[in-house]
This record gives sequence, C-alpha cells and structure tokens, in this order.
Amino acid sequence: EIAMTQSPATLSVSPGERATLSCRASQSVSSKLAWYQQKPGQAPRLLIYGASARATGIPGRISGSGSGTEFTLTISSLQSEDSAIYYCQQYDKWPTFGQGTKVEIK
Amino acid sequence: EVQLVESGGGLVQPGGSLRLSCAASGFTFSGYWMTWVRQAPGKGLEWVAITKEDGRDKSYVDSVKGRFIISRDNAKNSLYLQMNSLGVEDTAVYYCARKGLPNWYIDLWGRGTLVTVSS
Repeated sequence: EIAMTQSPATLSVSPGERATLSCRASQSVSSKLAWYQQKPGQAPRLLIYGASARATGIPGRISGSGSGTEFTLTISSLQSEDSAIYYCQQYDKWPTFGQGTKVEIK
Repeated sequence: EVQLVESGGGLVQPGGSLRLSCAASGFTFSGYWMTWVRQAPGKGLEWVAITKEDGRDKSYVDSVKGRFIISRDNAKNSLYLQMNSLGVEDTAVYYCARKGLPNWYIDLWGRGTLVTVSS
C-alpha cells in the first residue's frame, strides 16, 4: 500500500493570503495524484487530477503541482468559502488518501 | 441533473449484514467504472471497492475482501454493496462514487449513507 502523508494537519490563513498544502507519497506515484475538498456534512469534491489539472468549475486561484513523491496544492487568495478539509489521493496503485489538512480562516 | 443517491444504511449488530444501493441519474451509467468509498466518523477516506462498466471485473481493499461484494445493474442504473460479517471497524459513511476517465480519481460523489455497526 502506498501511504500518503499530508502536512500540516491544520492551516490557519487570513482572507486574501496564500495557502500552501503538502502531500507526500511513500513511493513514486508519477503524476497520478488528485486533490479533493470536503466541507462539513458534505461529500468530497474533486479539485485537481493528474497532479495539476483543474476539474470542471474549479477557479484558477486553486492550483496543483508536483510529481513523484512530493505534491502541493496552492490556494492563491484564500476566501471564506475555502474553509474545508483537503485530501490528496494517489492512483498509481490501489487508491489511498492522505489524512487531510484542515484549512481555517483567521 | 447528474447525481448519485445512496440508500440502505442503518444500525446493524456485529456479525450482521447490510446491502447498500446507489441510484445514478443524469449520465450514461453503463459507461463508467463505479466505486464505493467510506469515511469512518471523524476520519479520512478509504476506497473500498470498484467495478468495471460491465460488472465483470471487481476489486476490493484488503480489509473487506471475502466480506463485501460490489455489483451493479446497468438496466436499473444502480450500484450495490453487499456487506457481510460486519465489524465495528466498518462503521462509516459509505459514498457511492464515479471513477473519472481514464484514471482512478473520483469525479462524482453521492451524499453518502451512514452504516453503524454496534451491539
């Protein structure tokens, strides 16, 4: 099983500031990496696939980067509606998820 | 509207069984691999099972192999998860989900149904 580790566990950012979330794989997953956003009581929503491709309807201020074992999700100008838990998921082997990063608005 | 709606969750005793259903609408169900993903209370996500478009090819996470069976009825646009020998560790919200094309990320999620295993 490929283990996914996300950091930090919680990120507190002021509105308009940049949020940078990290995800590390225990072995290379190439670019087979997705990011999801989950708000309380809701199902997750796909943000990014292929490490950097935005899903339909995702704004340009949300971007993904990385390959191999190190990945980053960046929200360039944080808005109140971005308060959520963000999960990364690899799909190079049987899919596994990170434990999540909670983004809070200061 | 493109959507997935789960049903069948509830309270079951350890060792019991439960069958989850998922009704799909708004897209060509038979053209997609479909999957179940679960989330234990306050925990992260776990990909449980997946079935190919025609239902013949299926895969499971190790923790449910031999206990859970994923199936589908393309004529009814429906996905199922038969869960047997349930343990407290199976307590979770179970999401019906659609695998993206062509890779193994999820591009459509249902709202989930809660399964509680408790005596």
